[in-house]
Amino acid sequence: SAVISQKPSRDICQRGTSLTIQCQVDSQVTMMFWYRQQPGQSLTLIATANQGSEATYESGFVIDKFPISRPNLTFSTLTVSNMSPEDSSIYLCSVRGTDSNQPQHFGDGTRLSIL
Amino acid sequence: KQEVTQIPAALSVPEGENLVLNCSFTDSAIYNLQWFRQDPGKGLTSLLLIQSSQREQTSGRLNASLDKSSGRSTLYIAASQPGDSATYLCAVNTNAGKSTFGDGTTLTVKP
Repeated sequence: SAVISQKPSRDICQRGTSLTIQCQVDSQVTMMFWYRQQPGQSLTLIATANQGSEATYESGFVIDKFPISRPNLTFSTLTVSNMSPEDSSIYLCSVRGTDSNQPQHFGDGTRLSIL
Repeated sequence: KQEVTQIPAALSVPEGENLVLNCSFTDSAIYNLQWFRQDPGKGLTSLLLIQSSQREQTSGRLNASLDKSSGRSTLYIAASQPGDSATYLCAVNTNAGKSTFGDGTTLTVKP
């Protein structure tokens, strides 16, 4: 299975600032996703990161708040912009192989706290 | 819209017991269903993946079943151990590789 590295593993940020989270995969993957897990809750999909084009966002998430880049098949970034305490969550990068029948794998996540 | 429900939300058992975790989903048009484990402060570890055409999958002490027509899956853990203590998440893949997650079952196995 793919090995997924996320950076940073955790951070504490000031209100109004932005943070970029990196996701590096050790092999080429077709599908990359970004999820949010708020305290005590399950995972919510933010967007699908598309290689070479704009990400596809789920309802309730917008590009201005969560800009995503995916320059190639092994790397993606998620930026959390103009942060507020409500953005305190775990952000998780996830990948799936060549098609929808492949298993999904996750990085260890980025724990983000906003003061 | 797919909705995924996991019951119970929390479960506490003595070591050695066999147990069953339940997952139900509303839209039976799925590609596959995947069970994950999440330890506190960690990411998700994949346990088992069941394709829509399969009825069950086994890995060691774990057995997952799928009844697509009734929208149900179960995760059976045999001879539970304290190291099995974690949150177990069910994820249903219905659309272009995207998954909908249940809220999870938090399992505590007492020595």
